[in-house]
Amino acid sequence: NAGVMQNPRHLVRRRGQEARLRCSPMKGHSHVYWYRQLPEEGLKFMVYLQKENIIDESGMPKERFSAEFPKEGPSILRIQQVVRGDSAAYFCASSPGTFDGYTFGSGTRLTVV
Amino acid sequence: ILNVEQSPQSLHVQEGDSTNFTCSFPSSNFYALHWYRWETAKSPEALFVMTLNGDEKKKGRISATLNTKEGYSYLYIKGSQPEDSATYLCAFSGNTPLVFGKGTRLSVIA
Repeated sequence: NAGVMQNPRHLVRRRGQEARLRCSPMKGHSHVYWYRQLPEEGLKFMVYLQKENIIDESGMPKERFSAEFPKEGPSILRIQQVVRGDSAAYFCASSPGTFDGYTFGSGTRLTVV
Repeated sequence: ILNVEQSPQSLHVQEGDSTNFTCSFPSSNFYALHWYRWETAKSPEALFVMTLNGDEKKKGRISATLNTKEGYSYLYIKGSQPEDSATYLCAFSGNTPLVFGKGTRLSVIA
């Protein structure tokens, strides 16, 4: 069981470019969560998805950020026109059900230069 | 806004010492309290999921207790070892995705 796979591990983007972060959940898990960790901060919830549905996006900025979890393939967190403040570690987690423990991926460290 | 508070923020102990830290969370709409261990350069790893008031869980030298009525949980480490050095996160589960505290960073000095 490969666990939660995130790629890339490190991503460098220039201001104004797009960043695409991928997350393949653990086998058998249909719930995916994205969290962001800013320097010196804890894990902040961004968005919760099930296959083809966004369940809760209350933690995701309204502009430039979007997320999807298609029927086939990984979940994608997309950040358009990145700014320096988007530099952070982005973690994906998955769970088999709504109230189960999460399994985390290793994260994607985004650096905007 | 849900608030999960952890204290202390960081802790340095000598090898062999026992230690504990606190997690405070809302006592309303409670479903579960999770503890995670997060080593540097790795991903958070689940330790415990606790749901019942008075719950006590144990894994080796690490144990945790839960008081849902007053909204706190304690994590205990007995006889700390250098490999216990990590950040310990608690997370509250109500009717929302997990809300995490900022963690307690533990350093165990050999």
